[in-house]
Amino acid sequence: GEDVEQSLFLSVREGDSSVINCTYTDSSSTYLYWYKQEPGAGLQLLTYIFSNMDMKQDQRLTVLLNKKDKHLSLRIADTQTGDSAIYFCAGVNQAGTALIFGKGTTLSVSS
Amino acid sequence: DAGVTQSPTHLIKTRGQHVTLRCSPISGHKSVSWYQQVLGQGPQFIFQYYEKEERGRGNFPDRFSARQFPNYSSELNVNALLLGDSALYLCASSQNPGNTEAFFGQGTRLTVV
Repeated sequence: GEDVEQSLFLSVREGDSSVINCTYTDSSSTYLYWYKQEPGAGLQLLTYIFSNMDMKQDQRLTVLLNKKDKHLSLRIADTQTGDSAIYFCAGVNQAGTALIFGKGTTLSVSS
Repeated sequence: DAGVTQSPTHLIKTRGQHVTLRCSPISGHKSVSWYQQVLGQGPQFIFQYYEKEERGRGNFPDRFSARQFPNYSSELNVNALLLGDSALYLCASSQNPGNTEAFFGQGTRLTVV
């Protein structure tokens, strides 16, 4: 089944760009997702990319997809302290019934 | 429009007890999924319901059950609670079962003592 791996921690300074990386095992996911979770809160859908796309840009967010290497990344431009959170990459299982999440990357932004 | 609403927000139960968690999806969404998030981990899939039918089940024991009502709201039931069931339980709603855009509620924090 699908397995999703992420680096666990990233620290950046305010105003810098952040790049969060993710690798996945199952290439059958039609969509790949990025979610954000702030302390004590649920998950917020940030963006998603269709599997036949290489890149998607949405304001400060850029998603890059390398299907050959099964690698997904999320770039946050001009990172702000409010971007401090845990970011989850997710694919979909083969049955299409479940999101499969990585363990999350904790982004810490210092001023 | 209201987002996904879950109740209660926090709950403390004793080992061996039973718990019922509730979820109301976004208006117009017919699919509800449940996830368990243990501290420090990503959410793990428990169930998906669409049009009141179970569409998917994760690797959880039979102590976990769920149902969806005609108004598309859903309940997650857990029997014979164990300490290891302590977690954040998240409900997600989407228009269809394909999870194209799944929106999550704030979760129910369950503590088993």
